[in-house]
Order: sequence, then C-alpha cells, then structure tokens
Amino acid sequence: GDSVTQTEGPVTLSEGTSLTVNCSYETKQYPTLFWYVQYPGEGPQLLFKVPKANEKGSNRGFEATYNKEATSFHLQKASVQESDSAVYYCALSTASLGKLQFGTGTQVVVTP
Amino acid sequence: EAAVTQSPRNKVTVTGGNVTLSCRQTNSHNYMYWYRQDTGHGLRLIHYSYGAGNLQIGDVPDGYKATRTTQEDFFLLLELASPSQTSLYFCASSDGTGRNQAPLFGEGTRLSVL
Repeated sequence: GDSVTQTEGPVTLSEGTSLTVNCSYETKQYPTLFWYVQYPGEGPQLLFKVPKANEKGSNRGFEATYNKEATSFHLQKASVQESDSAVYYCALSTASLGKLQFGTGTQVVVTP
Repeated sequence: EAAVTQSPRNKVTVTGGNVTLSCRQTNSHNYMYWYRQDTGHGLRLIHYSYGAGNLQIGDVPDGYKATRTTQEDFFLLLELASPSQTSLYFCASSDGTGRNQAPLFGEGTRLSVL
C-alpha cells in the first residue's frame, strides 16, 4: 500500500539555522505531495502541495521539490524562527485514494 | 471564510460510555473526514464521507461509527468507549478527492476515556 516516511523528531535547532525534514514515499501510482504544519493547540493546516513531478512548492520561506526518481519530498527552510516551532506532516494522495496518507509527523523545536 | 467547527473541544467519559463528536463545515465541501492523532502514529483516518448519507471506512474504524446527516454535518460515534480511544480527534473537509484534495482541518476534540 501507499506509505510516507519522514524524519523522526523532535528536531531541535537554533534560530537562524537551516532546517531539513526528510520525507520519502511509496506508491505505485502518480501522487500529489503535501506538507502540512500544525501549531500547538491547532489543527493541521496546508503549507503547500505539489501535484507534478520535478516541480517545487513553497510558502512562508519553506520549500520542497517533488523528486519522482528518488521518491522524496524533503522540506527545507534556510533560516528558521522561533515561530516555526510546530509539527510538520508530509502526505500523499493519488487518483484512486479517497484520502490523504500522512507520515507520522516531525516535531520541530526552534530555540532563541 | 472557510471553516470547520468541532464540538465539544474537550470531553471526558468513562469506559463503556457513549460519546458523540460533532463536526460542521461551512465550505460547501462534499468530502468530510474524521482522523485521530496519537504520538508515534501521526494522523490516522477513521471514517470519511463523499456526501450526505454516504460513509466510507478508513484505516482504523474499529470501535467507531459515523454518520453524515447533511452536507455540512458529520458525526463520530463511540458507543462503548474504551481507554484506547483516548486521543485527539480532527474533522476535516475537502472540495476534491484523490490528487486534487487538500483537506481543511478543524481545531480538534480532545477525548479522555477513564
């Protein structure tokens, strides 16, 4: 079946440093790939989605490239802020999948 | 403004108790979902629906029933609650399915089963 594997957290880093959260996926179909972010006390919210291979998605300084050959969709940010502390979820969906398949989430903690 | 509203936000019940979680969306979305969130497991789909009267089984349906009474309203029912159902529950809605979906989530209901 379809699956998503992402960096196990927590990931702790200092303000101003760079962030990478790895995401790999498995599916026999052609997926759309997503990153969601969840702040404390809130529901997950869409960060961005990328429906086409070899394209990049971005929002709020975060970006990820849909790498079909490597089956990866790693989340990156060049310089994090304390307000980026959250749980980040990688997910996929396919034409036949009536749902999003989420990874287990990566907690990111940014210290001042 | 697009919204998914869940109630109650917090609920405590005892083992064997009867619980109903409610979800209303004002987005005119056809698709609605119930997820549970647990440490180490992320978000797991319980049930979902394509429209009023429709129900689809998700990945972790055991012990849960759901009912979609209108396009706006989706309910999750725990008829004999167990401690293993202590979790954070999220409702979501979407205007598409498959590769075109991007569910919009509510703020969650924290359920404790003692």
